[in-house]
Amino acid sequence: KAGVTQTPRYLIKTRGQQVTLSCSPISGHRSVSWYQQTPGQGLQFLFEYFSETQRNKGNFPGRFSGRQFSNSRSEMNVSTLELGDSALYLCASSQPGQDTGELFFGEGSRLTVL
Amino acid sequence: QKEVEQDPGPLSVPEGAIVSLNCTYSNSAFQYFMWYRQYSRKGPELLMYTYSSGNKEDGRFTAQVDKSSKYISLFIRDSQPSDSATYLCAPGPHNFNKFYFGSGTKLNVKP
Repeated sequence: KAGVTQTPRYLIKTRGQQVTLSCSPISGHRSVSWYQQTPGQGLQFLFEYFSETQRNKGNFPGRFSGRQFSNSRSEMNVSTLELGDSALYLCASSQPGQDTGELFFGEGSRLTVL
Repeated sequence: QKEVEQDPGPLSVPEGAIVSLNCTYSNSAFQYFMWYRQYSRKGPELLMYTYSSGNKEDGRFTAQVDKSSKYISLFIRDSQPSDSATYLCAPGPHNFNKFYFGSGTKLNVKP
């Protein structure tokens, strides 16, 4: 079974630009979560989608947005990039009905903002 | 107050040492206590979890939760160089699949 796939793996942008990151969950997983990982803050929750609906959102500005498609694939978008947005963006999927809500992470998209 | 606090490390130990990794959390409603391991340039992967209080053992790894003091521990016996990674505690869940992750402890096991 293929794991969670994130694209692109690495990207460099300049301040003010926008970026779109993509995530394909494990087949059959309908929940997709996004996390931002930085050395200082660790993993911070961005948002979670289930069946194309955002069920939960973290404390990030409105520049951060996401969506989920009918095939469970998800994208997140960051507009008007700032230097502080440089981070590893991790996508995680989980299996419905699993009590623990174990998250299966992709390898991440490393964003550098210059 | 942060939901989860974790000793940041880094931690450097010789091969064969016993390692203790610790976290504290603030929300008494958390029922699952996950430990994820993250190798360099990889995403985190679930190492083990415990439900409610108590201990759980899996090979050289033991996870311990004390809900009365809101303290989570992971012990690694006979540590190996292959255990060198960042370890993240993650109690939860809160509101569906929202987990709060500790900042991670970077462990280096020297041969």
